[in-house]
Amino acid sequence: KQEVTQIPAALSVPEGENLVLNCSFTDSAIYNLQWFRQDPGKGLTSLLLIQSSQREQTSGRLNASLDKSSGRSTLYIAASQPGDSATYLCAVTLGVKAAGNKLTFGGGTRVLVKP
Amino acid sequence: NAGVTQTPKFRVLKTGQSMTLLCAQDMNHEYMYWYRQDPGMGLRLIHYSVGEGTTAKGEVPDGYNVSRLKKQNFLLGLESAAPSQTSVYFCASSYLKSRYEQYFGPGTRLTVT
Repeated sequence: KQEVTQIPAALSVPEGENLVLNCSFTDSAIYNLQWFRQDPGKGLTSLLLIQSSQREQTSGRLNASLDKSSGRSTLYIAASQPGDSATYLCAVTLGVKAAGNKLTFGGGTRVLVKP
Repeated sequence: NAGVTQTPKFRVLKTGQSMTLLCAQDMNHEYMYWYRQDPGMGLRLIHYSVGEGTTAKGEVPDGYNVSRLKKQNFLLGLESAAPSQTSVYFCASSYLKSRYEQYFGPGTRLTVT
């Protein structure tokens, strides 16, 4: 059974510092990995999707890397801002079509960027 | 495009009452999902659908039923609500051309007293 872990559960940094968020998964036979952002009381916003054949994906200040063999992904957020404060979730899918390409989620990392 | 929408946004039920949560997407996605999110438990899949007229059980299906009569709609039903079903419910959708990237709705906050 796929298990996804995110450590630490919470992180506090001063504004301007780079953020490094970690995600690990137990079954390396993934189809893709998604990083989401969730603001309090809101839904999930997809930030980046990395396919299993990719090593990294970038969008603006965000960069996500994927090392399938070691079962790890890292989300980097450069020059953090108070507006980056949120919970960040990673999720993987094994890509089994008949099983609906279900996502398995990590518990999330709650980030606070202090002005 | 409105994306994924959910109705209602909030609801309070008494134990034993029934209700239906509606999820709608206007992106012509084949796959749709219902999740629940609870403190300390994360997001867990309740039911999912790989196409119109098909549904399947996820990780925590007990106490819920679903239907997908139209491609754009996915309904989640609670026949006899229990306090353990107090949660935030999220709907999501995806399709092959987006490499199965999942898009989420804003959520429904349900309290069962």
